[in-house]
Amino acid sequence: DAGVTQSPTHLIKTRGQQVTLRCSPKSGHDTVSWYQQALGQGPQFIFQYYEEEERQRGNFPDRFSGHQFPNYSSELNVNALLLGDSALYLCASSPPFVPNTGELFFGEGSRLTVL
Amino acid sequence: AQKVTQAQTEISVVEKEDVTLDCVYETRDTTYYLFWYKQPPSGELVFLIRRNSFDEQNEISGRYSWNFQKSTSSFNFTITASQVVDSAVYFCALSEGGIFMDTGRRALTFGSGTRLQVQP
Repeated sequence: DAGVTQSPTHLIKTRGQQVTLRCSPKSGHDTVSWYQQALGQGPQFIFQYYEEEERQRGNFPDRFSGHQFPNYSSELNVNALLLGDSALYLCASSPPFVPNTGELFFGEGSRLTVL
Repeated sequence: AQKVTQAQTEISVVEKEDVTLDCVYETRDTTYYLFWYKQPPSGELVFLIRRNSFDEQNEISGRYSWNFQKSTSSFNFTITASQVVDSAVYFCALSEGGIFMDTGRRALTFGSGTRLQVQP
């Protein structure tokens, strides 16, 4: 049973460019959340998707957008990249309410470097 | 607003020592969940434990134990007889907004993490 998979694992972009990160949730999970983890910091919540809609959003600008597909996979898009967007982007999935222990399953992340 | 503080940035111990990782949280909600996650060098966050705000019983799982005290808003994590494989960054996290509905759909607020190095 595959866990949460993310792609790409590493990528380098320059300021002003746009990036798309992808996530496939664990089998049976319908909810996908995205977190940004800057170096030496804890993950920060970006947004969450289920039923193909953004349901919750953290304190991130509109340059950060996302999408969820009918198969529950998700994309995170960041436009007009800034140096400060350099971070590890983590995707987490969780199952529907029942059964649900509140545990999030995380992927290994996509490490984005903006030059 | 909710907040999680892990004051210990880095801890270094020698194998077989006991070590406690501190976590202090702030929330205005009366119902919430607390979590501990482990992040090895691979980057993936690994779930260790979840506690709800109504359950202050301490929990032990093998060499791991957790002490939840609402009076001091703390949720500390102890590793007994540490091993080299315990070396990782450990995060404490909080989710607000109820403990009975949509648990997995609550955003987590993480602390800044404690890096644990266990020397052989």
